[in-house]
Amino acid sequence: EVQLLESGGDLVQPGGSLRLSCAASGFTFSNYAMNWVRQTPGKGLEWVSAITASGAGTYYPDSVRGRFTVSRDNSENTLYLQMNSLRAEDTAVYYCAKDKASSGSYGFDSWGQGTLVTVSS
Amino acid sequence: DIQMTQSPSTLSASVGDRVTITCRASQSINSWLAWYQQKPGKAPNLLIYKASSLESGVPSRFSGSESGTEFTLTISSLQPDDFATYYCQQYNSYSLTFGGGTKVEIK
Repeated sequence: EVQLLESGGDLVQPGGSLRLSCAASGFTFSNYAMNWVRQTPGKGLEWVSAITASGAGTYYPDSVRGRFTVSRDNSENTLYLQMNSLRAEDTAVYYCAKDKASSGSYGFDSWGQGTLVTVSS
Repeated sequence: DIQMTQSPSTLSASVGDRVTITCRASQSINSWLAWYQQKPGKAPNLLIYKASSLESGVPSRFSGSESGTEFTLTISSLQPDDFATYYCQQYNSYSLTFGGGTKVEIK
């Protein structure tokens, strides 16, 4: 059974940093692209980052490019999201999501339970 | 960036109804569209990928279709477990975007 377990969410001040982790199990982690998706409480979904299976390719929307960095450790089956220069509008539940593909995307077929990031003074 | 316009934002329906939800892309996405179902407090669940391919384990009452840049999710006979919020997502380019969501409510 595929399991994705996020951790690292916390209350942080504007301008601060946070690192999220996602521990994966139940599948061959190194074969699949991985993503981070966030959801503001009561609102819709926003894709935050993607990383190819090998880790060679990383992708971001304009809203977080230059502030967030996605990485992975295929030996530890773990996905990371380093978030710097955090803003109030980054407040959301952050999900890690497994892609059906190794690169590009065919849709996210497994999701974690989410971790809450709150940016506030 | 490719924009996804999803409609309606809310839909009231009864058990047994046929339900359709539409997403329109701002430009061609070459069938690279997925549909998700999300229930309160839970992560989304993949229903359809590549516009019309049913994800494994998803009931056959769910189906997806496309016509140009317009994509449709159809639930052939709405079941009590189907009351949820549905999202489309395009992945034609690595600037993935979601639609705004459609909440399916009990009529």
